[in-house]
Amino acid sequence: DIQMTQSPSSLSASLGDRVTITCRASQGISNYLAWYQQKPGKVPELLIFAASTLQSGVPSRFSGSGSGTDFSLTISSLQPEDVATYYCQNYYGVPRTFGQGTKVEIK
Amino acid sequence: QVQLVQSGAEVKEPGASVKVSCKASGYTFSNYGLNWVRQAPGQGLEWMGWISAYTGNTNYAQKLQGRVTMTTDTSTSIAYMELSSLRSDDTAVYYCARDLGARPPSTIGYWGQGTLVTVSS
Repeated sequence: DIQMTQSPSSLSASLGDRVTITCRASQGISNYLAWYQQKPGKVPELLIFAASTLQSGVPSRFSGSGSGTDFSLTISSLQPEDVATYYCQNYYGVPRTFGQGTKVEIK
Repeated sequence: QVQLVQSGAEVKEPGASVKVSCKASGYTFSNYGLNWVRQAPGQGLEWMGWISAYTGNTNYAQKLQGRVTMTTDTSTSIAYMELSSLRSDDTAVYYCARDLGARPPSTIGYWGQGTLVTVSS
């Protein structure tokens, strides 16, 4: 099975900061990588698919990059509403493994 | 608009089975695959499996093989996930979640509201 490893597991940053989360696949998955945001007590929401395509309605401060095994999610200017846990997911094959999550807080 | 409405919370004893339903609306049910994802309290997301609503073909997470069964009823646009031989570590919120695109492989684009299943004696 393909393992997905996110880092860091949590971070605290100031409003307006640039924040980057990384996700590494244990083997190549081309660009079959999605990012989800889950706010406390809420259902996850799709942010980015195909590694870098922004889902409709997602603010442009979110961006994704990468291919193969190494991927990243960047928030260009952290806002209060971005407090959440972020998950990457491989959908290259099965199982469609999630990363363990990165909790983002405001400093 | 796409909607996935799940059945209500369940409390089950260890060893029992649970069947969660997911009523889809706002799109052609048979055109999209459905995933089931669970989240134990305070933990991350765990992908359980996927079913093609068109063919009924399934892919299950290996750790759940033999205990999980996913089905769909195209006449009512309802998907079901049944988990048997329940253990305390099956306590979680269970989500049904539709593929974003009609052709696999696809990421998840839409989520149900979640169903809390509690396993306790």
